[in-house]
Amino acid sequence: NAGVTQTPKFQVLKTGQSMTLQCAQDMNHNSMYWYRQDPGMGLRLIYYSASEGTTDKGEVPNGYNVSRLNKREFSLRLESAAPSQTSVYFCASQIGDTQYFGPGTRLTVL
Amino acid sequence: GEDVEQSLFLSVREGDSSVINCTYTDSSSTYLYWYKQEPGAGLQLLTYIFSNMDMKQDQRLTVLLNKKDKHLSLRIADTQTGDSAIYFCAESKAAGNKLTFGGGTRVLVKP
Repeated sequence: NAGVTQTPKFQVLKTGQSMTLQCAQDMNHNSMYWYRQDPGMGLRLIYYSASEGTTDKGEVPNGYNVSRLNKREFSLRLESAAPSQTSVYFCASQIGDTQYFGPGTRLTVL
Repeated sequence: GEDVEQSLFLSVREGDSSVINCTYTDSSSTYLYWYKQEPGAGLQLLTYIFSNMDMKQDQRLTVLLNKKDKHLSLRIADTQTGDSAIYFCAESKAAGNKLTFGGGTRVLVKP
């Protein structure tokens, strides 16, 4: 039981490049989330998915898209990366009261 | 709107008690959480409390909730060097709902 996994762990992009951050969970959870973490700002919700086939915007969705491919996988796409998207990205899944977090992806946009 | 505030930093000596404070603005918050983040890792749930409770104790951890003042605290007894981390409080309206996080309190435990 791996929990929540994220790939890649680290990524450096140039401004304007695109990439997809992958997230998968093997706990059969319905809800999945994407957050970004910036110093002193805690975690801010980008997008979430309450169940397979549904996605909703969070607090800071601009510049991102998501896909809930199936129950296990929830990907985050940056179509045209900007330096303001330099951050640590966390995926989480939830059942009941508890969210389980992945180890994070550290993204730098030059 | 929702807002969750925490102090940025706390320094404590090994063996002492640590108290981390959090305030929130939304009176409809139902679940209040404490998460721990160690360097280079994701967040790990430490404990949570329902809004109809005043206190919850779990081994070295004690959570106090003052619903009137919208104030939540986490007390760590006999703080150890392994407790050095960033601690986040968070709130949600119901089980299964999305969380709103505070900015995190960095706790440094000195030997």
